[in-house]
Amino acid sequence: NAGVMQNPRHLVRRRGQEARLRCSPMKGHSHVYWYRQLPEEGLKFMVYLQKENIIDESGMPKERFSAEFPKEGPSILRIQQVVRGDSAAYFCASSQGQPNSGNTIYFGEGSWLTVV
Amino acid sequence: GENVEQHPSTLSVQEGDSAVIKCTYSDSASNYFPWYKQELGKRPQLIIDIRSNVGEKKDQRIAVTLNKTAKHFSLHITETQPEDSAVYFCAASIPGTYKYIFGTGTRLKVLA
Repeated sequence: NAGVMQNPRHLVRRRGQEARLRCSPMKGHSHVYWYRQLPEEGLKFMVYLQKENIIDESGMPKERFSAEFPKEGPSILRIQQVVRGDSAAYFCASSQGQPNSGNTIYFGEGSWLTVV
Repeated sequence: GENVEQHPSTLSVQEGDSAVIKCTYSDSASNYFPWYKQELGKRPQLIIDIRSNVGEKKDQRIAVTLNKTAKHFSLHITETQPEDSAVYFCAASIPGTYKYIFGTGTRLKVLA
């Protein structure tokens, strides 16, 4: 059973470009989360999605960031007009059910974004 | 707002000794507390978790204790080995939401 798959693992973008990060959840999981981790810091919640629905985006910056989880295909985290402060590791996670029901979330290997 | 405090930020122990990492959460309604281990450049991996209806849980050399009254939970690693060296994160679920609040991490170094 493959785990949470993320790509690309490493991405370099110039300031002002767009970054697209992809995540395929574990088989049988329909709940997807994105977390951001700045260097030497903890994990900050960004957004929680189910198929075709954004459930909680309270951790997403209001501008330039968007996320989707279409009916077919992976979840995508999109960052437009990237700035140096966007440089971070972006971790996707998935769960079988809602975490507030005690379902564990499992993390992917992360996508390391570097903005130059 | 919701908050999870984690101490210490760094911890060095001799191989074979025990290590204890402590977390405090703010929302008394939190009911699920996982612990993750993250090696350099890798993903966080779940190592143990505890639910609010249990006071202690053990899995081989790893144990977690929960004090709901004090809103504390702790990770205990016995007979530490060099491969235990990593950053450890505690987390607390936020009732009514779909997210965890993570602690700031503890960098554990096990000295051979």
